[in-house]
Amino acid sequence: KNEVEQSPQNLTAQEGEFITINCSYSVGISALHWLQQHPGGGIVSLFMLSSGKKKHGRLIATINIQEKHSSLHITASHPRDSAVYICAVVGADGLTFGKGTHLIIQP
Amino acid sequence: GAVVSQHPSRVICKSGTSVKIECRSLDFQATTMFWYRQFPKQSLMLMATSNEGSKATYEQGVEKDKFLINHASLTLSTLTVTSAHPEDSSFYICSASWGLGRGEQYFGPGTRLTVT
Repeated sequence: KNEVEQSPQNLTAQEGEFITINCSYSVGISALHWLQQHPGGGIVSLFMLSSGKKKHGRLIATINIQEKHSSLHITASHPRDSAVYICAVVGADGLTFGKGTHLIIQP
Repeated sequence: GAVVSQHPSRVICKSGTSVKIECRSLDFQATTMFWYRQFPKQSLMLMATSNEGSKATYEQGVEKDKFLINHASLTLSTLTVTSAHPEDSSFYICSASWGLGRGEQYFGPGTRLTVT
């Protein structure tokens, strides 16, 4: 079974800071998702990637298949980015979710 | 990208009643839909996998008679929580895929169920 570790678990930063959230997994995967969950619970799918790098607005996601590691970056962070960010990996036995990173951006 | 909707987004019901949650793929045909549950401050947990036109496959520990799943069409799956109890209060999320595998999944926004 894949072990998915996210770091940090909690992160508080000031508005404008560059944010990095990391996700490591133990077994080879076919794809990786980054999800955003707002305080009300709603889920937003940010990225699904299997190699390289994707960018959407101020968000950038990278994955290194050999190192079994992915990062989610937020540039010019804003208080509205405050949310829980969840990494989920797709393996032979389906999706395995990380426990999430709770991000707070202070004005 | 592909869009998945859920309805309702929030529901409050009384203990003993049944609640139906809908999951729709809006711009693609979903051969497979997945239902997840999330307890407060915990990760999403897969409850069941449903393929269009066939019975859902439930994960160990999930009561199939309590959580009825119907995937009657390629764009709609429903989860019915029967005889709801307060411990069923949770956040329920669906995802949809058009492939046979679980890679290309698109997530719905979730439904918060509160049973009083």
